[in-house]
Amino acid sequence: DIQMTQSPSTLSASVGDRVTITCRASQTINNWLAWYQQKPGKAPKVLIYKASSLEYGVPSRFSGSGSGTEFTLTISSLEPDDIATYYCQHYNNFLYSFGQGTKLEIK
Amino acid sequence: QDQLQESGPGLVKPSQTLSLTCTVSGDSISNGAYYWSWIRQPAGKGLEWIGRISPTGSTKYNPSLKSRVTISVETSKNQFSLKLSSVTAADTAVYYCARGRMVTSFFDYWGQGTLVTVSS
Repeated sequence: DIQMTQSPSTLSASVGDRVTITCRASQTINNWLAWYQQKPGKAPKVLIYKASSLEYGVPSRFSGSGSGTEFTLTISSLEPDDIATYYCQHYNNFLYSFGQGTKLEIK
Repeated sequence: QDQLQESGPGLVKPSQTLSLTCTVSGDSISNGAYYWSWIRQPAGKGLEWIGRISPTGSTKYNPSLKSRVTISVETSKNQFSLKLSSVTAADTAVYYCARGRMVTSFFDYWGQGTLVTVSS
């Protein structure tokens, strides 16, 4: 099985900062990699799919990149509304797997 | 715009079977462009994919749960269901149903989630 490892587990940043979250796969994977934002008590919301495609309606300050075993989610300028937990998700061989999550806090 | 709504008992006794239903509105569950999944999240922890079903009834399950999981679809009611047998306290979680796009393999619509507690 392919394991997805996110880093960091917790991230503290200031409004206006550029923020980067990394998702590493235990082996080279295809680009079926998505990023989700989850706020407390709510279902996750997709931000990025196919590694770098921005889902409709998601602010352009969110972007995704990467290939092979390393993928990143970047928030170009952190806003207070971005405080949430972020998850990567991979699809391979008919199975889905999630990273363990990165909790983003305001400094 | 699709809406998904989970329903079922919020309390299940240990060793019994957890049963949940997801009702889909706004689109037909028979739409061949999507898979229909169950995902769970224990309190304070991450997301775990349980399994999915296609409109034709083809299923795939998380290997760690495969022996206890059954997902079925009832297209006439626009619903799909989850059964998880022999539950323990470790199965206590918020359970989400979600729509997954077949081609691009991500979840674009989610239910609000329902808390299921396993306790005697």
